[in-house]
Amino acid sequence: AQRVTQPEKLLSVFKGAPVELKCNYSYSGSPELFWYVQYSRQRLQLLLRHISRESIKGFTADLNKGETSFHLKKPFAQEEDSAMYYCALPLQNTDKLIFGTGTRLQVFP
Amino acid sequence: DAGVTQSPTHLIKTRGQQVTLRCSPKSGHDTVSWYQQALGQGPQFIFQYYEEEERQRGNFPDRFSGHQFPNYSSELNVNALLLGDSALYLCASSLSGDKLFFGSGTQLSVL
Repeated sequence: AQRVTQPEKLLSVFKGAPVELKCNYSYSGSPELFWYVQYSRQRLQLLLRHISRESIKGFTADLNKGETSFHLKKPFAQEEDSAMYYCALPLQNTDKLIFGTGTRLQVFP
Repeated sequence: DAGVTQSPTHLIKTRGQQVTLRCSPKSGHDTVSWYQQALGQGPQFIFQYYEEEERQRGNFPDRFSGHQFPNYSSELNVNALLLGDSALYLCASSLSGDKLFFGSGTQLSVL
């Protein structure tokens, strides 16, 4: 079954420290993976998608098919990065998204 | 463009009642998806509407039903409410299933 696992509920770092939010998936075939972010009192929004191979707000994510991972990374965390982060992938041959349980990132000054 | 708008923002119901939640998609979008987000969980897909028809459905009972209108707006109806239906209900719109834009959600509390 297709599944997304985010093993950490909470990740706390200090400003300027590197950040890695973990995401593992199970999927047969070539998945399309997404990271969504929800800042305090704001709506859920797309942060990045792996097919775009882009960096948004300093975040990058590389698809590792061997490890079935799509970890979200940022070399130097900022306080404004504090938010809930969700990894997601579409159910095969549909655009229904399966979300992980999310990781709350807290960046302390 | 106001983006995806949902109403109401908060709602309190009692067990056994029925509820209707509303969603207006982002301008130009034709597809509406509904998600349920329980406390501490990621959003779970309920169903998707396109061209006024339910196109896909997640693992939710028939108590959950919906509708899409000609102007692409949508309603989510839940009958015979249970305590476990308490959650944040998110609407997301897209153009033919492309990038999803989410609304702020309706927080439903069932007492």
